[in-house]
Amino acid sequence: GQNIDQPTEMTATEGAIVQINCTYQTSGFNGLFWYQQHAGEAPTFLSYNVLDGLEEKGRFSSFLSRSKGYSYLLLKELQMKDSASYLCAVRHDYKLSFGAGTTVTVRA
Amino acid sequence: GAGVSQTPSNKVTEKGKYVELRCDPISGHTALYWYRQSLGQGPEFLIYFQGTGAADDSGLPNDRFFAVRPEGSVSTLKIQRTERGDSAVYLCASSSHGTSGYNEQFFGPGTRLTVL
Repeated sequence: GQNIDQPTEMTATEGAIVQINCTYQTSGFNGLFWYQQHAGEAPTFLSYNVLDGLEEKGRFSSFLSRSKGYSYLLLKELQMKDSASYLCAVRHDYKLSFGAGTTVTVRA
Repeated sequence: GAGVSQTPSNKVTEKGKYVELRCDPISGHTALYWYRQSLGQGPEFLIYFQGTGAADDSGLPNDRFFAVRPEGSVSTLKIQRTERGDSAVYLCASSSHGTSGYNEQFFGPGTRLTVL
């Protein structure tokens, strides 16, 4: 089975940093994705980690520790438009298993 | 270029009716996926096509659900005898290949299905 956990909600101030944690226990692992989803819209790709370590992409960074079954997404210099749901997804072969998502609210 | 498109964007039906949801993937993408997303949850895998064939339909909840992709491009998800519990957003995604490499899945905007 697949068990992917992430916090339900987080709130932060514009310009601040927020870290969204994701822990997983899955039957297979071929990489971990982070997607952003605005209300009523499609999930859009943010990052992909398959090896341990930090991947940095502009204001967003993602970290993976396979031995700990742990990842985090770091959002820096928060902007109002970053208010959205952030989905952690583990890939096994072709299939993605998603967590329930973390709703991030950015306040002015 | 054009992304994944899905029609209709919203579908309201009555319990017991039959519905079809359509997905038009990114041109050239051989892999196509259907997911279902209930309120407050992440997408849940339903079925995966590689070309015309359903390589994995293990996520379909029961035999009321069926999907086809006859020419290896457009796919249709079909739900018979709809139930209120089928109400959800049905997401389609496509990727350039299924099992190897980076394999980013590109998602469509979804069809919101409401069964009254």
